[in-house]
Order: sequence, then C-alpha cells, then structure tokens
Amino acid sequence: DAGITQSPRHKVTETGTPVTLRCHQTENHRYMYWYRQDPGHGLRLIHYSYGVKDTDKGEVSDGYSVSRSKTEDFLLTLESATSSQTSVYFCAISEGRFYEQYFGPGTRLTVT
Amino acid sequence: GIQVEQSPPDLILQEGANSTLRCNFSDSVNNLQWFHQNPWGQLINLFYIPSGTKQNGRLSATTVATERYSLLYISSSQTTDSGVYFCAVTDSGSRLTFGEGTQLTVNP
Repeated sequence: DAGITQSPRHKVTETGTPVTLRCHQTENHRYMYWYRQDPGHGLRLIHYSYGVKDTDKGEVSDGYSVSRSKTEDFLLTLESATSSQTSVYFCAISEGRFYEQYFGPGTRLTVT
Repeated sequence: GIQVEQSPPDLILQEGANSTLRCNFSDSVNNLQWFHQNPWGQLINLFYIPSGTKQNGRLSATTVATERYSLLYISSSQTTDSGVYFCAVTDSGSRLTFGEGTQLTVNP
C-alpha cells in the first residue's frame, strides 16, 4: 500500500471557523491532490500540487486554499468553514501527471 | 470536460456469480483507473489501464481506447467484493474525472 496518511480522520467544527487538513506521504511522489466526495457527485478535485510550492486549482476550489512547503506534506485549509463543505476529503498522490493515483484513507469533516 | 458514464448503477449477485461492469468516456484519455470503495470508505486501486487488458486474480479489465470504453470483469464473486466500483479517467489535465460508480452487493 502507498504510504499516505491523513489527519485528522474525523472532525466536527462550527460554521465560520478555520480548518486545516493534512496529507502526509512517504513515497516521495511529485504530485499530490485533494478531492472531496459527496453523494450524487462522486469525487471531485479541489486543488493539486506538482511540486514544492507549485499548486493549481481543480474543479471545486472556491473556499479552499492549499500549501506545500515540503515534498511529503500537502495541507488543505478552509479559511471559514461552511455547511456546504461538509464532506469526505481524500488526498491522493502520483509519481507524475498521468501516472496512477493512490488515495489516502479520507477525512470526514462535518460543519455544523 | 470529459464525461464518464458507468453501468449498471446497481448490481446484486449471489456468491459465485460472474459480472461485467462498463465504463464509457467521451474523449481520448491518458489515464484510466478502476477503484473499489469498500464499505469502510477506503479507495482501493484495482487497475491502471489506459489501454489493453490486465488480470489480477479473479478480476480482469479491458480498455478499448479507440472505442472509448473499459470493462471490469469479476469472476466467482465473493461477499468481500461488495462495495462501489469507480472508473476514473484523465484527459489532457491532471485531475481524475470519476464516474458515478456501480454499487455491487454480493449475497451469501
């Protein structure tokens, strides 16, 4: 199994509070991704990174920011959480742009 | 953007039966993956198969890129095969576009 961990695994927070989710990999892969999974929408890309300090927006990036200061860590921040951001968040990694993607265990976030 | 359609949306089998899941996509792809999401929510990689045929135990997959479809075959199904099967593709961008999935239930 690819070495990907996510923290926290579960979080309940209130509307308007900031939240940061962490993805950590031990595979030294160049690309890292954040997806969210919602009923009726499948998995959708939020942001991705193609190297340290190199990031780009995905399909559903509004309300989210990311940072990558080290190869192994990719952070997803909700500056002011809203109920519409209640979801399961998955991190993924890949060696290159069209290479196989491997997913972490997911973080279940509930915004009340 | 690229569209991905999976069929059937739901499938109920008796243990030991065989099944075929289909994935149609609307444009040429650089990456096609099949995943199994188990009842605990974990996404498990089954195949990376932008073209050709691969086999892994009771599972096999075929992608015909020129006709824009991929098939996942499950033989001698077991209750542990239950869950959602996703097809996901990448065209010219970096993101995987997922289909809606096939919900598979295997009864003992």
